[in-house]
Amino acid sequence: DPKIIQKPKYLVAVTGSEKILICEQYLGHNAMYWYRQSAKKPLEFMFSYSYQKLMDNQTASSRFQPQSSKKNHLDLQITALKPDDSATYFCASSQDCQGNYAEQFFGPGTRLTVL
Amino acid sequence: SQWGEENLQALSIQEGEDVTMNCSYKTYTTVVHWYRQDSGRGPALIILIRSNEREKRSGRLRATLDTSSQSSSLSITAAQCEDTAVYFCATASSSFSKLVFGQGTSLSVVP
Repeated sequence: DPKIIQKPKYLVAVTGSEKILICEQYLGHNAMYWYRQSAKKPLEFMFSYSYQKLMDNQTASSRFQPQSSKKNHLDLQITALKPDDSATYFCASSQDCQGNYAEQFFGPGTRLTVL
Repeated sequence: SQWGEENLQALSIQEGEDVTMNCSYKTYTTVVHWYRQDSGRGPALIILIRSNEREKRSGRLRATLDTSSQSSSLSITAAQCEDTAVYFCATASSSFSKLVFGQGTSLSVVP
């Protein structure tokens, strides 16, 4: 059974619209993250959450808003979508958020295409 | 080397060959993570090497870390077709486990 679920797997949106990317983890972890991977860039860190609290935000735009309704959920709301937002978005989790040695487990990703 | 390169590197080798991928990082770190990403899937950790470990082995994988030159390498011995994947090195920022990934090396192992 998949331990980190991301929905949907593929998503097509029009410029200016709003979408929510879903992430649920069943590893019992306390920390969750979002990363973005676009065609010509390496995986980029976006957000980290610990115990449902925002710990780090490396996203310049306020159009990206994480939402944590439960400890094992971290959704990503993206508003006013632009073609440059097209990328695969990965959710990840780790036991906790402190220190450099925590293994992060990644979900399968949501591939977003903005037309 | 993964850092400082604009594009994903690509390597193609034959089954049974050995291969080494290099990674140089810019900021001080006490650990380097090596992740593997199969097509259509998320990255998965394959080996983690700490600053007090100059070398670490896991099966056919061998990672090295040289903190003086800020570089790490991942070697695969006797590569097999199932080793085909993209390999990333990543350093962990002391700030809440943020991972900073290199550009990656796309490895193709052909029969």
